[in-house]
Amino acid sequence: DAKTTQPTSMDCAEGRAANLPCNHSTISGNEYVYWYRQIHSQGPQYIIHGLKNNETNEMASLIITEDRKSSTLILPHATLRDTAVYYCIVRGSQGNLIFGKGTKLSVKP
Amino acid sequence: EPEVTQTPSHQVTQMGQEVILRCVPISNHLYFYWYRQILGQKVEFLVSFYNNEISEKSEIFDDQFSVERPDGSNFTLKIRSTKLEDSAMYFCASTASGPTQETQYFGPGTRLLVL
Repeated sequence: DAKTTQPTSMDCAEGRAANLPCNHSTISGNEYVYWYRQIHSQGPQYIIHGLKNNETNEMASLIITEDRKSSTLILPHATLRDTAVYYCIVRGSQGNLIFGKGTKLSVKP
Repeated sequence: EPEVTQTPSHQVTQMGQEVILRCVPISNHLYFYWYRQILGQKVEFLVSFYNNEISEKSEIFDDQFSVERPDGSNFTLKIRSTKLEDSAMYFCASTASGPTQETQYFGPGTRLLVL
């Protein structure tokens, strides 16, 4: 299963865009990139996923590089409620999600 | 919006006791998962379940653990004889179909404390 690398922590000013990078250089052709977040010890919350093309939904945008070796999650207008640990996950071959340590995003007023 | 629910939210038990954690997946979902998160550590996969049998399990999921779907709605995780190191948040997740592509939706978790 592909491994992902994310920065340990990031800060973002409230109202600004938060850009969270992820490296997944060993991703294989049919593996999706998923993003989840976890606020305190709540259950992981699904944000967005993609295979090759950039994706956008009501929560975020996902930009995947052409070689698929990295991606960026964009929260266009971060709020204090977006403070959380963000996980970039490449889906396991059996379907289970393999969580890393994620990026702790702190949105500051 | 449909969601995964879990009960109880908190469970305190004595070492060696049996506990059953309950989950109600989203109603039309077919694949079910249990994960756990020890305080301060990563979320870890335990087991996946489909068509009334285990599809995949991790090395954490030893003989002390079992899962079942007793009544077509609940999905349970049983720990037969709890150990101190079983203290963790336990999350249930479900997905509509196809384990490799469908999105998994997580419940709020059960915090288990073994004394």
